[in-house]
Amino acid sequence: DAKTTQPNSMESNEEEPVHLPCNHSTISGTDYIHWYRQLPSQGPEYVIHGLTSNVNNRMASLAIAEDRKSSTLILHRATLRDAAVYYCILILGVRAGNMLTFGGGTRLMVKP
Amino acid sequence: DTGVSQDPRHKITKRGQNVTFRCDPISEHNRLYWYRQTLGQGPEFLTYFQNEAQLEKSRLLSDRFSAERPKGSFSTLEIQRTEQGDSAMYLCASIRVPSEENYGYTFGSGTRLTVV
Repeated sequence: DAKTTQPNSMESNEEEPVHLPCNHSTISGTDYIHWYRQLPSQGPEYVIHGLTSNVNNRMASLAIAEDRKSSTLILHRATLRDAAVYYCILILGVRAGNMLTFGGGTRLMVKP
Repeated sequence: DTGVSQDPRHKITKRGQNVTFRCDPISEHNRLYWYRQTLGQGPEFLTYFQNEAQLEKSRLLSDRFSAERPKGSFSTLEIQRTEQGDSAMYLCASIRVPSEENYGYTFGSGTRLTVV
C-alpha cells in the first residue's frame, strides 16, 4: 500500500488559515486521497477526499499537486474546535469501501 | 439516524475475563468495520463485514478475538481471556457500498477498554 508522510504536529492561531501538508510520493493512479480528523475522545471524522482536482466542502479545501505526490488540507479559519489529529490516507477507489490504513497523523494545536 | 453507536463507552475488566462490545451502524450501511487504537497511534484495522459475512480479518485479530454480525445489522466484538495488551480504544465504522455519493466512513465514538 502506498504510504503517506505528515508532520507530527503543527500550531495555528485562532481565525487564521491552516495548511496541513501530506506527502505521498508512491501514490498510484487509482488511489484517492482522503482526510479524516479525530477530536479528543472521539472516533475519526471524514473531512474531504479527492483524486486529481482541488476540492472544496463546508469543512475544508483539498489542494492536490499536479503530480499527485503531495496534497494540502486547508482550513480557512481555524477555530479552537479544529484542534485534532488530522490523518491523510490513500485509498483505492472512493466507492470501493476498502479499509482505511491510518498513519500517525498531524496533531493540530490551535491557540486562542 | 443518530450515526454509529457503540456500547459501552468505557469498560474496565480484570485480566483473564471476557468482554463483549456492541456496534450499531447507520441503518442503511451494509459494511461494518472494527478498528483498534492504542494511545498516540492511529487506528488499526481488525476486521470487516459485508452484511452478515465477515470478509477479512487482520493478523492482529488473534484467536481470542471474535466478531459477529448475525443479521447484517449490529455487530459484536468479543475478547476472551483479556490481557493487559488488549487495553485500547475499539472503534466501529460503517459505510454503504456501492454508493454514488460516498462521503466517507462514519465512525462511532469507540469503546475504551482498560484491562487491569
